[in-house]
Parts: sequence; structure tokens; C-alpha cells
Amino acid sequence: DQQVKQNSPSLSVQEGRISILNCDYTNSMFDYFLWYKKYPAEGPTFLISISSIKDKNEDGRFTVFLNKSAKHLSLHIVPSQPGDSAVYFCAASASGFQKLVFGTGTRLLVSP
Amino acid sequence: DSGVTQTPKHLITATGQRVTLRCSPRSGDLSVYWYQQSLDQGLQFLIQYYNGEERAKGNILERFSAQQFPDLHSELNLSSLELGDSALYFCASSQSGTGAVETQYFGPGTRLLVL
Repeated sequence: DQQVKQNSPSLSVQEGRISILNCDYTNSMFDYFLWYKKYPAEGPTFLISISSIKDKNEDGRFTVFLNKSAKHLSLHIVPSQPGDSAVYFCAASASGFQKLVFGTGTRLLVSP
Repeated sequence: DSGVTQTPKHLITATGQRVTLRCSPRSGDLSVYWYQQSLDQGLQFLIQYYNGEERAKGNILERFSAQQFPDLHSELNLSSLELGDSALYFCASSQSGTGAVETQYFGPGTRLLVL
């Protein structure tokens, strides 16, 4: 039962263009969402988060959009840089529960 | 560097054996979480400890156990190991782990290979 889904295993983008990573969830109790970036041989690194009371959160080149009615969120990276090449995980949590439920990840490759 | 440390980085052992993975949280964090990542899968929550007490449990096998010590470091014990236990094991920590959801900061992981 995959409650958080990242349906694109991989994404290739050219440097300077926009990268859009998508995530869908099924559990309507989820009200806090996070994106993590993971390089090989390292642990996931926190990138950005959004609460369900918002529909957008921005931090520099990274913006997360939340569409609660569609149970969908997306991470936009503008402009994309080669150093952004990594696996990106979407994670969700419900109030009162600290555990994070992760998607399977999307591997982003940004080429020069 | 997240401030969360995990040892060892790699572990190779045989089926039926028992291993212990160790985690030290960020300074000041009271909660420790353990996650398992099998091949091409997302991270699966195993267990959370808060200030020495078990706080939440996920799909953790009975062969697995954990504890958090007074200095707040945590250990994950895996026993009667099977081939399918081969995975990356991540530890994460957060400030409190109670109330509102907090950002969790992850260690570099321990790669376990069971032969």
C-alpha cells in the first residue's frame, strides 16, 4: 500500500531549465509534506517543506506547490544546475504522528 | 553534514547472525528515528524513540529491536538475519518529536549486506 507515490523514476533536464518533480499521495490525513535530496553514499538532506494550510512555499531556487484537492505536490527547481543531480524523495506526515512516509524517489539528472 | 552520525558505514555478515547499528543524534535533539531502505524502495519507518522512551512503531520485525540510551544515542539490533534484511539503514533525529511535525535530519546510513 504505497501512500506516497513518485511515478517518475527518473527525469533529465538541461542546465538552466526548470525541473519539475511530482508526488501524489492517497492518505487524506497527511498535512505536512517534505522534499529530501539524496546523493549516493549519503543520507537524505532536507530541502523544503509545506504545511497543508499553504499551497506554495518558496526557498531560493526551490518552490513546492501543494494541491490538496488533487492530493498532489510538486517541486520546481529553477534554474536547474548540474549539482542538483540527485535522487529526490517526497515525504508526508500526519498531525500527531512524527513518522515520515516516503515515496520511492525520482532520480534527477541535470546536464550541462 | 547533518550532525547525525551512524556507525558502522558498512556491515557484511551471514544469515542467522546478529548485528548492532549505532546512531548519535544532532546535539540537542531528543528524538531518534530508524528507517530501512531496501533496493529501489523509499525509506520505510521502523521505530521512533523520544528521550529514552519508545514513541512510535512502524513495520518493524520482531527480530529487530532498538533502544535509546541516557546520552540519547540509539542502537538498532537486528537478529536472526535473513538475506532480505540487506538494506540501507538510516537514523534521523529531530528536536522534540512530539506535537507538530518537525523536520528530521538524517545520518549517512549503514549499508548492511547479509550473505
